[in-house]
Amino acid sequence: RKEVEQDPGPFNVPEGATVAFNCTYSNSASQSFFWYRQDCRKEPKLLMSVYSSGNEDGRFTAQLNRASQYISLLIRDSKLSDSATYLCVVRYFNKFYFGSGTKLNVKP
Amino acid sequence: SAVISQKPSRDICQRGTSLTIQCQVDSQVTMMFWYRQQPGQSLTLIATANQGSEATYESGFVIDKFPISRPNLTFSTLTVSNMSPEDSSIYLCSVDSGGDYNEQFFGPGTRLTVL
Repeated sequence: RKEVEQDPGPFNVPEGATVAFNCTYSNSASQSFFWYRQDCRKEPKLLMSVYSSGNEDGRFTAQLNRASQYISLLIRDSKLSDSATYLCVVRYFNKFYFGSGTKLNVKP
Repeated sequence: SAVISQKPSRDICQRGTSLTIQCQVDSQVTMMFWYRQQPGQSLTLIATANQGSEATYESGFVIDKFPISRPNLTFSTLTVSNMSPEDSSIYLCSVDSGGDYNEQFFGPGTRLTVL
């Protein structure tokens, strides 16, 4: 079983739509949670850390459900520039485990 | 966040040769990490490079194939030895932020093609 599982997509949505991604993780003792964004042929870049109480950064909202071991990312009012692959990442001590990514295509 | 550079940004190499990738950070960091991202796949950790000690390799990766150096707190190298086409991949170095959540920040990657 993979440490972190994500729906690979692609999610094809129109501009302005709201889209949500989920991710599940297998290690209940995982300590930190993140969403990264990776553009084609570029390195992953931190989008946001996911706090236990959930957190929001502009159009992006992240939630953590420890009991069910899943993390979510909600993107409101999608922009063309949001098109990318979104990686769910889980940390256990010094090890980071990456999901395979969810591809988002925002269409005009 | 740390500023990380990698050299070379890309290379095309012949089977059987070796390539050394350099990673430079603009601040001192305790741990540096080397990842591989094969086409269409997510990131796989190769090893953790600690200054002053041997690198710690993940299952499936060995020092003879991927020797790592960590001469100081701002620099590391990864060598891909005796390359085969299966080694064609993007190789990324990263560092911990050192903050409360210990986010990782990545270099721009080295795109390697082995013919």
